[in-house]
Amino acid sequence: EAQVTQNPRYLITVTGKKLTVTCSQNMNHEYMSWYRQDPGLGLRQIYYSMNVEVTDKGDVPEGYKVSRKEKRNFPLILESPSPNQTSLYFCASSPGGGLTYEQYFGPGTRLTVT
Amino acid sequence: QKEVEQNSGPLSVPEGAIASLNCTYSDRGSQSFFWYRQYSGKSPELIMSIYSNGDKEDGRFTAQLNKASQYVSLLIRDSQPSDSATYLCAVMAPTNRDDKIIFGKGTRLHILP
Repeated sequence: EAQVTQNPRYLITVTGKKLTVTCSQNMNHEYMSWYRQDPGLGLRQIYYSMNVEVTDKGDVPEGYKVSRKEKRNFPLILESPSPNQTSLYFCASSPGGGLTYEQYFGPGTRLTVT
Repeated sequence: QKEVEQNSGPLSVPEGAIASLNCTYSDRGSQSFFWYRQYSGKSPELIMSIYSNGDKEDGRFTAQLNKASQYVSLLIRDSQPSDSATYLCAVMAPTNRDDKIIFGKGTRLHILP
């Protein structure tokens, strides 16, 4: 089954404790992206990757890191989480290139930082 | 700053009627346009994509694009209670470096039984 998977789905952590949210897709997509969604603010892009080893900042990259060492994986790293990073996070992928930016989203990760 | 604007709603439509959702965008260079449906607590799901001016129909859904007016809309015919969700408009706008995808904040649609 073609899909985007994220882990964990739910995470409660404390301020300053490093964490990683994994994202993996099995559709051989070039483009991958991370979003956070907050009430009243909609979906905001954190980072995106056009291809392996190519990543770039989205609209709200502060406090986050990413890497794209393999085409299928695009982990999101919070080196020192803070309460303002409490949010619902989505990973997405798309074929990329030309007009093919139809995105497929993972199930989401609900993160709470206390 | 490239923007995508949607009325937040809620938009209430009787069951069986046509629901009309609208979206405007600021970047004239935008090339690809998408509608996603998102149920509460779930991930966005792609409904329609449209790339050229005019209408594109898929079942009960019709996407309409007018690049001159920088306007894209989604019509849902014979609305069903299961159509109650938030609808997100997304636009792909090329930049000097790469392609940027921008989402609107979404319109909440409520179908009245």
